[in-house]
Amino acid sequence: DGGITQSPKYLFRKEGQNVTLSCEQNLNHDAMYWYRQDPGQGLRLIYYSQIVNDFQKGDIAEGYSVSREKKESFPLTVTSAQKNPTAFYLCASSIARGFAYEQYFGPGTRLTVT
Amino acid sequence: KNEVEQSPQNLTAQEGEFITINCSYSVGISALHWLQQHPGGGIVSLFMLSSGKKKHGRLIATINIQEKHSSLHITASHPRDSAVYICAVEGNTDKLIFGTGTRLQVFP
Repeated sequence: DGGITQSPKYLFRKEGQNVTLSCEQNLNHDAMYWYRQDPGQGLRLIYYSQIVNDFQKGDIAEGYSVSREKKESFPLTVTSAQKNPTAFYLCASSIARGFAYEQYFGPGTRLTVT
Repeated sequence: KNEVEQSPQNLTAQEGEFITINCSYSVGISALHWLQQHPGGGIVSLFMLSSGKKKHGRLIATINIQEKHSSLHITASHPRDSAVYICAVEGNTDKLIFGTGTRLQVFP
């Protein structure tokens, strides 16, 4: 079955530690995204990548970093510079369908930093 | 004002009721997406539409481009429909702008 895998589902870290969230897809999609979801807010874009070895900042990139060394993988690192890292993180990919892009989402990782 | 507004924010219904969730947007779009998020957090794409109407099972999505408005309807609602329904619009890039979601609870 094709899809997006995120691991782990729950992650706990101490303040001041960097943490890397995994995202893998076997859909052969070029574009991948990282979103952050907070209660009462819509999903916000952290970073996106439209092709291997290239990525762009989204609306809330500060305190995060990404890499895209392989088409299938788009890991997100939450650094100690991120002031409020506790959130639900969703990875997604997309493929062009005519004039629009069909979106696929992973199951998410809930990060708690104390 | 958010670029994508959904109403209502919360909705409760009895099993079997007809449900409507609304989405208004203020930007030009190439497509509008309806997404479903279950309590576990994972998101499933329900519809992607740029005009007219789409139907899948008990779900119907409509869009009026001139009025910048879309509706998601659920006929014969069931407790398993309980979820957060999210409207998202796609502009002239592949990036989405999301609404804050409508939390639906359907009681037996």
